[in-house]
Amino acid sequence: GENVEQHPSTLSVQEGDSAVIKCTYSDSASNYFPWYKQELGKRPQLIIDIRSNVGEKKDQRIAVTLNKTAKHFSLHITETQPEDSAVYFCAASIKDDMRFGAGTRLTVKP
Amino acid sequence: DADVTQTPRNRITKTGKRIMLECSQTKGHDRMYWYRQDPGLGLRLIYYSFDVKDINKGEISDGYSVSRQAQAKFSLSLESAIPNQTALYFCATSEPGQGYRGYTFGSGTRLTVV
Repeated sequence: GENVEQHPSTLSVQEGDSAVIKCTYSDSASNYFPWYKQELGKRPQLIIDIRSNVGEKKDQRIAVTLNKTAKHFSLHITETQPEDSAVYFCAASIKDDMRFGAGTRLTVKP
Repeated sequence: DADVTQTPRNRITKTGKRIMLECSQTKGHDRMYWYRQDPGLGLRLIYYSFDVKDINKGEISDGYSVSRQAQAKFSLSLESAIPNQTALYFCATSEPGQGYRGYTFGSGTRLTVV
């Protein structure tokens, strides 16, 4: 089945800097790649997603890129703010069979 | 608001006890899931159901069972709880098809087995 690896496991940046989280997947049939943000004590919530027919998608300060050939995708957060501090999960899905990465704990220092 | 509700939010139970975690949703989604979250291990799938008559094992189903009582309700049971089942449990729903946007998660149940 699908295997998703996520790096780094922890990331600390200064407020205003950019943060990048990377994921790789194993099954080339995966066609949907969501990113979830989980704040402390709360549920994971979808923040951005990309489908396999698109290479890049942007929503304000966050963007996701997808390289199907290399089977990796990345989350980019620009101009980070303290409220961006959370655990971020990537996932890869084939027909709603979704596998999650292990998560990245992002800390944005004021 | 349409949402996914889990009960209880927190539970402490003793080793060997049977416990049920409940999930209900008002999103009208057919597909429901139970995940377990452990630190550093992300989200792991326990069981999933694509409709009322469909139940499927996930990657870590041993020690767990589920019941899909209705489209809106999906319960997870630990028949005889053990300490390594201490974790955060999430229910999730989804609706496949055009416009698919992944899962909507419930608020979670923090279970401690002592």
